[in-house]
Amino acid sequence: ETGVTQTPRHLVMGMTNKKSLKCEQHLGHNAMYWYKQSAKKPLELMFVYNFKEQTENNSVPSRFSPECPNSSHLFLHLHTLQPEDSALYLCASSQAAADYNEQFFGPGTRLTVL
Amino acid sequence: DAKTTQPTSMDCAEGRAANLPCNHSTISGNEYVYWYRQIHSQGPQYIIHGLKNNETNEMASLIITEDRKSSTLILPHATLRDTAVYYCIVRAQGGSEKLVFGKGTKLTVNP
Repeated sequence: ETGVTQTPRHLVMGMTNKKSLKCEQHLGHNAMYWYKQSAKKPLELMFVYNFKEQTENNSVPSRFSPECPNSSHLFLHLHTLQPEDSALYLCASSQAAADYNEQFFGPGTRLTVL
Repeated sequence: DAKTTQPTSMDCAEGRAANLPCNHSTISGNEYVYWYRQIHSQGPQYIIHGLKNNETNEMASLIITEDRKSSTLILPHATLRDTAVYYCIVRAQGGSEKLVFGKGTKLTVNP
């Protein structure tokens, strides 16, 4: 595997479910990001991790809980979501957190909350 | 807020050059112009970036005006697979400012 991978690619969940999104990067990068892309809206940055430490939380509701066990893996734990949380969730990585510019994105997880 | 202005949509014939404009009249001296694209249901893909000189790589060319207030991304021979939303972004390299994606230009390459 090369680049940035995300699993699952599609997820349907009820509002009472708990699920997790996984992201893995094979680029040797030190920074990883979660973005949300709702229909017809620009990409929204959610979280930034640099060397496994969270450096930014862009006012994301607590029902989204990120986890970064190492520089190559990033998780987004989901619980008690709302239908308006349905969106494409994108993971990205870059050499360092300062390199917002040249980020490499994964294919995304299409989440539907019923 | 995005610091750039792009047309909402454009069409291009397959095999012809696609020229995508971007206005960034408030760009600062240390800010670069970056281009990403997002093919439907995929993550964004980095294309090219530049400061003031024109740049070219295997994907595209970037032409920046002398006053740096606007730029054009050129796909020399557009293919159907180039159909995507193209985002023009300006920010300083290496800074802590967020990468802000605006609404971009939806480019449709027609057969």
